[in-house]
Amino acid sequence: AQKITQTQPGMFVQEKEAVTLDCTYDTSDQSYGLFWYKQPSSGEMIFLIYQGSYDEQNATEGRYSLNFQKARKSANLVISASQLGDSAMYFCAMREGRGNDMRFGAGTRLTVKP
Amino acid sequence: DAGVIQSPRHEVTEMGQEVTLRCKPISGHDYLFWYRQTMMRGLELLIYFNNNVPIDDSGMPEDRFSAKMPNASFSTLKIQPSEPRDSAVYFCASSLNSGGHQPQHFGDGTRLSIL
Repeated sequence: AQKITQTQPGMFVQEKEAVTLDCTYDTSDQSYGLFWYKQPSSGEMIFLIYQGSYDEQNATEGRYSLNFQKARKSANLVISASQLGDSAMYFCAMREGRGNDMRFGAGTRLTVKP
Repeated sequence: DAGVIQSPRHEVTEMGQEVTLRCKPISGHDYLFWYRQTMMRGLELLIYFNNNVPIDDSGMPEDRFSAKMPNASFSTLKIQPSEPRDSAVYFCASSLNSGGHQPQHFGDGTRLSIL
């Protein structure tokens, strides 16, 4: 069964606008971590932001924030004030408490338009 | 601080040849992961190590693939013999002891092409 679902294969956003990338997950664990990674066209995987299942506040890192809705099992990434350099693939991932591997979604390709 | 270092960045070789991919994890990280990324299958975990010991190799596609971690600062992924369908980007990642809360830090990947 798919543990991480990213329903948007591609998204477009105007420069300087905000954009939300969707991620839903499936787990029966109470303790887990949710992660977002950025993969630009150069290919490297860049860690962006982390949300713990017990964190009461939504995580924020600069222009990145997580809209974490635990009951809905969703962890959407919000990028504010989009920049051309934000154009990339974005992957949502989950690491469950008992395991050490990480499950990745299929990714969303974000294109920022000038 | 140095990140995860992978070599080579690119490898092009002919079918049937042995391929060795190398990885140096971040110092102090006790988990090391090998992933394969393709358009069709996305990111797949192949194997991971904890304190140099292989913990889960259920993602290794077949016996042609093998991975070792002789010490805390070095790991290899070997394919012998290589086949065209092994063409992919191979990533190495490392992390601290998890509890589900530690991110994995990725190397830049090795782009492998088997002709």
